Amino acid sequence: EADIYQTPRYLVIGTGKKITLECSQTMGHDKMYWYQQDPGMELHLIHYSYGVNSTEKGDLSSESTVSRIRTEHFPLTLESARPSHTSQYLCASSDHRGPSSGNTIYFGEGSWLTVV
Amino acid sequence: KNQVEQSPQSLIILEGKNCTLQCNYTVSPFSNLRWYKQDTGRGPVSLTIMTFSENTKSNGRYTATLDADTKQSSLHITASQLSDSASYICVVSDRGSTLGRLYFGRGTQLTVWP
Repeated sequence: EADIYQTPRYLVIGTGKKITLECSQTMGHDKMYWYQQDPGMELHLIHYSYGVNSTEKGDLSSESTVSRIRTEHFPLTLESARPSHTSQYLCASSDHRGPSSGNTIYFGEGSWLTVV
Repeated sequence: KNQVEQSPQSLIILEGKNCTLQCNYTVSPFSNLRWYKQDTGRGPVSLTIMTFSENTKSNGRYTATLDADTKQSSLHITASQLSDSASYICVVSDRGSTLGRLYFGRGTQLTVWP
């Protein structure tokens, strides 16, 4: 059972609003990730972190920003939401080894964001 | 270009029947291949992870196979249950960079009918 939590699960907000999606894990994992997934499409990496004070942009360009002040916490923020940001956002974490090690990557339940 | 292709895109089967999902990849250099199950509106859950040297791996009624020579994998589900209705995602990791990166397929949407 994965101990990684996302809030809110569902959110509908107006254009121009600022929102923060929360992600926390209690497994002591160094690595954390944010993916964006549209219905029926593959996951796209938008941000990742290898540890405290480490954040990098992923493969898919995103107007969101992230921070990693504590090991267990990796929030994602949109300063000014637009309808094009409507999507599912999935947070994930893994131990210090990279994906090539075959380590398990644990996903949260996801946050469905709708911008109207 | 590193890609992961899954087929079929969607599949409907009757409860109790078996099915096989396919995954073809072009990721190189290959490191490992993972199958995830994603229920509607939920996050993916890991089913199996296979490295280059592994041909098959089972997890209950789920059995994954890997042919690294042809760059193909399959996920076989035995005696399907209604709870198997979900999207099944194939994920391949390379070892080209220091830590490797993940390439995701679009998933096969499986529906099990009673």
